[in-house]
Amino acid sequence: DAGVIQSPRHEVTEMGQEVTLRCKPISGHDYLFWYRQTMMRGLELLIYFNNNVPIDDSGMPEDRFSAKMPNASFSTLKIQPSEPRDSAVYFCASSLALVGVEQYFGPGTRLTVT
Amino acid sequence: SQQGEEDPQALSIQEGENATMNCSYKTSINNLQWYRQNSGRGLVHLILIRSNEREKHSGRLRVTLDTSKKSSSLLITASRAADTASYFCATDASGNQFYFGTGTSLTVIP
Repeated sequence: DAGVIQSPRHEVTEMGQEVTLRCKPISGHDYLFWYRQTMMRGLELLIYFNNNVPIDDSGMPEDRFSAKMPNASFSTLKIQPSEPRDSAVYFCASSLALVGVEQYFGPGTRLTVT
Repeated sequence: SQQGEEDPQALSIQEGENATMNCSYKTSINNLQWYRQNSGRGLVHLILIRSNEREKHSGRLRVTLDTSKKSSSLLITASRAADTASYFCATDASGNQFYFGTGTSLTVIP
């Protein structure tokens, strides 16, 4: 397996624009996680899915953020409208279980909102 | 909120020396994991230790867990320049998702 795939790797956009980040988890993994990493706040869990169903979205900062998982091999994280404070690295990770096993991380998407 | 806090925040050592970093957490856990993050990359799993284990080894890595003190340590022996990275602990408890700490930035000077 190629591991967790994320696209794009870098995204630069202007404030107010819509941003869509994409993730393909490892085949067979039932759990998918979206994280955000900044210097100030470290690594934050935004939302996670189990078998394509969102389980906990309490980490999603605002209604401007939404995530979907239409099938087992694809997930999106959308920010609309984007703001400069959304600038961060966004990681997608997948795993076989919620806890007690390792999570496999993608390379991340570095988002810059100007 | 994050459970784990790593200490120190930053560590700089000479190649060949041992590096020790610590993780403290607040509540009882089931498992604790250590991850490494190279600059500009995603996190990579290093080792998992369960709450009923006290010590675990993997190559040059040695992890200890003291549940009475709610702390864990990661020892990297005979460090190499390639070990330069940030190291994170992650804890989970009773079916809840796990939380990552704030990380220790390790620099190994050749």
